[in-house]
Amino acid sequence: GESVGLHLPTLSVQEGDNSIINCAYSNSASDYFIWYKQESGKGPQFIIDIRSNMDKRQGQRVTVLLNKTVKHLSLQIAATQPGDSAVYFCAEPSYNQGGKLIFGQGTELSVKP
Amino acid sequence: EAGVTQFPSHSVIEKGQTVTLRCDPISGHDNLYWYRRVMGKEIKFLLHFVKESKQDESGMPNNRFLAERTGGTYSTLKVQPAELEDSGVYFCASSPQGWDSPLHFGNGTRLTVT
Repeated sequence: GESVGLHLPTLSVQEGDNSIINCAYSNSASDYFIWYKQESGKGPQFIIDIRSNMDKRQGQRVTVLLNKTVKHLSLQIAATQPGDSAVYFCAEPSYNQGGKLIFGQGTELSVKP
Repeated sequence: EAGVTQFPSHSVIEKGQTVTLRCDPISGHDNLYWYRRVMGKEIKFLLHFVKESKQDESGMPNNRFLAERTGGTYSTLKVQPAELEDSGVYFCASSPQGWDSPLHFGNGTRLTVT
């Protein structure tokens, strides 16, 4: 079955620096990935998604990169702000199981002022 | 539009007691999911409804957990009797028809079993 995993459970960055959060997946047939942000006391919030026909997708201060060769994706946050502090999850739908999302373990991003 | 709402936001119960969690999805969303996050771990799938039907309940831990979605609107998740390992944050999410769209999550119910 599919699985997604994040490389680091925690990441600490200085305010203003760029953050990079990584995620690996196991199923080479996976073609859709989503990044979620979970702030304390709140539910996961959709940030950005990417389909396998793309290598890169940009949003506001966020960029997701997809490397299908090594089955790796990353979320880059430019000019990280204190409000970016949260747990970040990558996720993918499990197509052979009704489309339920499978989440990675999450990376907790801490932004130092 | 109103988002996914969950009630209660927190619940503290003793081992052996019963707790019922409620989720109101976004109006018109056919898909409703329950997930759970145990402290520090990944968000794990519990159950998926399409309208009032259980599409996939492969993530339900055991028969102490019962989910319902009568009428295809709100859903409840009952834990009876609760055990210590049931503690965690229970999230509900909904999405429109189909599977190829991001889920909208509620803020979760933090369940503590003592």
